[in-house]
Amino acid sequence: GQSLEQPSEVTAVEGAIVQMNCTYQTSGFYGLSWYQQHDGGAPTFLSYNALDGLEETGRFSSFLSRSDSYGYLLLQELQMKDSASYFCAVRVFYNQGGKLIFGQGTELSVKP
Amino acid sequence: EPEVTQTPSHQVTQMGQEVILRCVPISNHLYFYWYRQILGQKVEFLVSFYNNEISEKSEIFDDQFSVERPDGSNFTLKIRSTKLEDSAMYFCAGNRDSLNYGYTFGSGTRLTVV
Repeated sequence: GQSLEQPSEVTAVEGAIVQMNCTYQTSGFYGLSWYQQHDGGAPTFLSYNALDGLEETGRFSSFLSRSDSYGYLLLQELQMKDSASYFCAVRVFYNQGGKLIFGQGTELSVKP
Repeated sequence: EPEVTQTPSHQVTQMGQEVILRCVPISNHLYFYWYRQILGQKVEFLVSFYNNEISEKSEIFDDQFSVERPDGSNFTLKIRSTKLEDSAMYFCAGNRDSLNYGYTFGSGTRLTVV
């Protein structure tokens, strides 16, 4: 089967750094994505790793270790607006287009 | 920035009724998807669609569900006979390239079956 595990919630203070982890067990793995969701709104794409290592996009960084089936999203200089749910999603390639399999999400609360 | 547009934003329907959820994808996207999210739970894959046919569907996507893109613009999800457990947020998504890593999601339709 396909499964992803994420901590259910994380709390951090404004200005700090937070790391949200994701472990996965899937077949047909093609890459690991991260999405942000505010209050049940549209998931918004943040980052993607197809290869091992660190990808950086502004305040967001994402890491992947394929051998460990593990990745994380790192948020720096936390802001109040970063309070949201963060989902890791494995991209599985299947026929045309593939699909995303999402984890349960980590609820990030940023405190002043 | 281009957006995926979904209508209606909220739909209330009686159990057993048919509903059609509509999506206007980004014009240069080629791959289209429907996902759903039951309140407080994870986002779940329903179906992928490419070149006017279904590429893959999940076990959730049973005979009560269908998708089509009849006029090359609107991408619709039909639920023939709704059940209470179909109540969820339904998201349309798309991307340009099967190897493209980022999906663009619409803002969703909240379906409430009563």
